[in-house]
Amino acid sequence: KQEVTQIPAALSVPEGENLVLNCSFTDSAIYNLQWFRQDPGKGLTSLLLIQSSQREQTSGRLNASLDKSSGRSTLYIAASQPGDSATYLCAVLMTTDSWGKLQFGAGTQVVVTP
Amino acid sequence: DAGITQSPRHKVTETGTPVTLRCHQTENHRYMYWYRQDPGHGLRLIHYSYGVKDTDKGEVSDGYSVSRSKTEDFLLTLESATSSQTSVYFCAISEGATEAFFGQGTRLTVV
Repeated sequence: KQEVTQIPAALSVPEGENLVLNCSFTDSAIYNLQWFRQDPGKGLTSLLLIQSSQREQTSGRLNASLDKSSGRSTLYIAASQPGDSATYLCAVLMTTDSWGKLQFGAGTQVVVTP
Repeated sequence: DAGITQSPRHKVTETGTPVTLRCHQTENHRYMYWYRQDPGHGLRLIHYSYGVKDTDKGEVSDGYSVSRSKTEDFLLTLESATSSQTSVYFCAISEGATEAFFGQGTRLTVV
C-alpha cells in the first residue's frame, strides 16, 4: 500500500528565505505527482504536476523535483513572501490506478514571517 | 480557477437525516471525485465517477452513495448522517490521469 509522507508537518521561515518542502512515497510505481496549496478554510489549488518521466517542473518562483527511484519529491519556493503562508500537500497517482485517484500526504503547514 | 461549484458550502444536520451535497463543473471533464478531509487522516477518496452513470467506490465509501446523471453534476448522498461523517467534503475533477482540480469544499456538521 502506498504511503505518502510529508516532513516536517510545520515550518516557519522569515520572509525572503527559500522554502524547501519534502514529499516521500514508498511505492515508486507512480504515474505522476501533484503539489497543491491549501489556505485555511479553502479548497486545494494545484501548483505543479510532474510526470513520472520528468525530473523537474517549474512555475514562476516554484520548482518541483522528482526522484522516482528514491521515492522523493521536493518543492522549492524561492524568496518566500508572507502570502506563501499556507498548507502544502503532495499527492501521487499510481500506475495501478487510473482516473486520477490521488493519494495524499498529510501536508506541511508553512508560516512566512515578515 | 477551474469551474467547480460545490453546494451548500456549509451545512448543519441532525443524526439520522439524509443529506445530499452537489458538485457542478463547467469544464466538461470526464472524471469527478468526492474526497473528505479530516484532521489526522488527510484527504481520503469516498467515491469517483468515470462517466455519466459510471461510478465506483473509493477508500471510505461506507455510508455514502453517489449519482451522476449529467456530465456536469456529481451528487454525494449520506443516507443517514452520523457524527463520524462530520467533515469537510471536496469535489475534484480531472481528465483521467492528468492534473486534478478541486472545489472550495463543503463543511458538514452532524449533531
